[in-house]
Amino acid sequence: AQSVTQPDIHITVSEGASLELRCNYSYGATPYLFWYVQSPGQGLQLLLKYFSGDTLVQGIKGFEAEFKRSQSSFNLRKPSVHWSDAAEYFCAVGAGGSQGNLIFGKGTKLSVKP
Amino acid sequence: EAQVTQNPRYLITVTGKKLTVTCSQNMNHEYMSWYRQDPGLGLRQIYYSMNVEVTDKGDVPEGYKVSRKEKRNFPLILESPSPNQTSLYFCASSPRQPGSSPLHFGNGTRLTVT
Repeated sequence: AQSVTQPDIHITVSEGASLELRCNYSYGATPYLFWYVQSPGQGLQLLLKYFSGDTLVQGIKGFEAEFKRSQSSFNLRKPSVHWSDAAEYFCAVGAGGSQGNLIFGKGTKLSVKP
Repeated sequence: EAQVTQNPRYLITVTGKKLTVTCSQNMNHEYMSWYRQDPGLGLRQIYYSMNVEVTDKGDVPEGYKVSRKEKRNFPLILESPSPNQTSLYFCASSPRQPGSSPLHFGNGTRLTVT
């Protein structure tokens, strides 16, 4: 069965600093991987996804993520954080095919210091 | 504008009083799903629907009902709400099974049961 672990519950970074949010997954085959962001009072919005091909994927709002099969990881990065990036971030892993479902991690809350 | 619309955004009710949270999508998506979000537990799936008249239980279906009579609508019904159903609820839709296709989320319904 699939599972997703986001080891960090809460991270605080200074505005302008770089950011890396960790995500580890468990899945037998090549997974479909997603990062979503939830701003306060909002639903979840897709940041980026990995299905196949280039292991470094670009998303919206200047985010990128790298799929590392050997480490079962899909970490989210941003070179310079803005105050508006303060939100909760969810990693998710999906199984393709007719019975595909989506499993979410428990989320990492990002705070940004001025 | 493509969107998932949930109503109401906020709802306060009393134990045992039946309620319905509506969800509608205008993207002709086949797949729809309900999640609840609780602190420390992340997103947990309540029910999902692969298409009209096809619904199935998620991870936490107890105390909830759903129906999918039309493709665009997927209401969540609490026949006899209890305080442990106090939560933030999200409806989501996807063109096909979410394991291989991004989910589009509504803005959430915050339910309080006293």
